[in-house]
Amino acid sequence: AQSVTQPDIHITVSEGASLELRCNYSYGATPYLFWYVQSPGQGLQLLLKYFSGDTLVQGIKGFEAEFKRSQSSFNLRKPSVHWSDAAEYFCAVGAVTGGGNKLTFGTGTQLKVEL
Amino acid sequence: DAGVTQSPTHLIKTRGQQVTLRCSPKSGHDTVSWYQQALGQGPQFIFQYYEEEERQRGNFPDRFSGHQFPNYSSELNVNALLLGDSALYLCASSFVEGMNSPLHFGNGTRLTVT
Repeated sequence: AQSVTQPDIHITVSEGASLELRCNYSYGATPYLFWYVQSPGQGLQLLLKYFSGDTLVQGIKGFEAEFKRSQSSFNLRKPSVHWSDAAEYFCAVGAVTGGGNKLTFGTGTQLKVEL
Repeated sequence: DAGVTQSPTHLIKTRGQQVTLRCSPKSGHDTVSWYQQALGQGPQFIFQYYEEEERQRGNFPDRFSGHQFPNYSSELNVNALLLGDSALYLCASSFVEGMNSPLHFGNGTRLTVT
């Protein structure tokens, strides 16, 4: 069964500083990997996804993530954080079974941005 | 283009009662999935519907059931509510193209069981 670990429950960064959110996954085959962001009281918005090919993927809002198979990691990065990036971030691994698809999420990382 | 819409936004129920949550998928989507997000946790997969049938199910008891209608909208029903069922229930829609069709999530229904 697939699983996702996000080691950092809370992270605080200053506005303008760089950001890296960690994600480790467990999956038997080539994984489908996703990062979602959730603002308070909102649903989840897809930031970016990795299916295959180039291991560095670009997403919306200036985010990028790098897939490292040897480390079973898919860390999310942003060169310069904006105050509006404060939210909860979820890493997820996808599985296609029985014709359907489901995501297994990590427990999330709460990002606080100091002005 | 309307995204995924869920109703109601908030709901308070008493232990033992039954509840029905509703979801309309994003225009053009035909697959609906339901997730439960407890406070401080990531979403957990409940089940997925396509062509009015349950395609996959997560580790949830039979108290959780669903339905998909011909217009692709869906309902989630929970019977005999427990305090532990208090959570944000998220609906997500997609095409039935596997992982090539990322999930689009609604804003959820916040269920409180007292």
